[in-house]
Amino acid sequence: DQQVKQNSPSLSVQEGRISILNCDYTNSMFDYFLWYKKYPAEGPTFLISISSIKDKNEDGRFTVFLNKSAKHLSLHIVPSQPGDSAVYFCAARRGTSYDKVIFGPGTSLSVIP
Amino acid sequence: GAVVSQHPSRVICKSGTSVKIECRSLDFQATTMFWYRQFPKQSLMLMATSNEGSKATYEQGVEKDKFLINHASLTLSTLTVTSAHPEDSSFYICSAASPGGWGEAFFGQGTRLTVV
Repeated sequence: DQQVKQNSPSLSVQEGRISILNCDYTNSMFDYFLWYKKYPAEGPTFLISISSIKDKNEDGRFTVFLNKSAKHLSLHIVPSQPGDSAVYFCAARRGTSYDKVIFGPGTSLSVIP
Repeated sequence: GAVVSQHPSRVICKSGTSVKIECRSLDFQATTMFWYRQFPKQSLMLMATSNEGSKATYEQGVEKDKFLINHASLTLSTLTVTSAHPEDSSFYICSAASPGGWGEAFFGQGTRLTVV
């Protein structure tokens, strides 16, 4: 049972345009959501997170939106840069950082120069 | 920011031998650490949660006797893959809970294990 879903395995975007990565979850007990960027053979790099008490969090070019009623979140990258090309994982947990994080399957983003 | 160091980054071992992977928190005390594995083009799958001074909690389907986890100190957790087989070849990643319970967990660089 996949609790965190990313239905788009891949996404291609032109440099300078907006990248929108989507994520859905099924466990209503999740209350903290994270986005990670990952390159092959490296550990994930934290990008941005959002608590369930918020519906938006912004950090530079990255914005995460949360729709609790739809159990949906999205990551917006504006403007997209070639260096953003990587696999992006949506993740969720219930509680504090002492609780386990469940990862989605990932979306491979390619930003075309 | 907090740093988690994982060692070794790559290891090749013969089938039937055991391999130990270390995960260290360098500038904070990590009472809780997590171990993940990732197969090519797949997601990070949680294997177990490691708590300092107590037995690890394994996820369903993970063999505790095969993947031995020891969290003997507040800065070190180890994962030992015992009697390794080629199907154990994977990318293993550890993470440590951030102090105080807030924010994100910190991830190590990962270990590429190849069993030949």
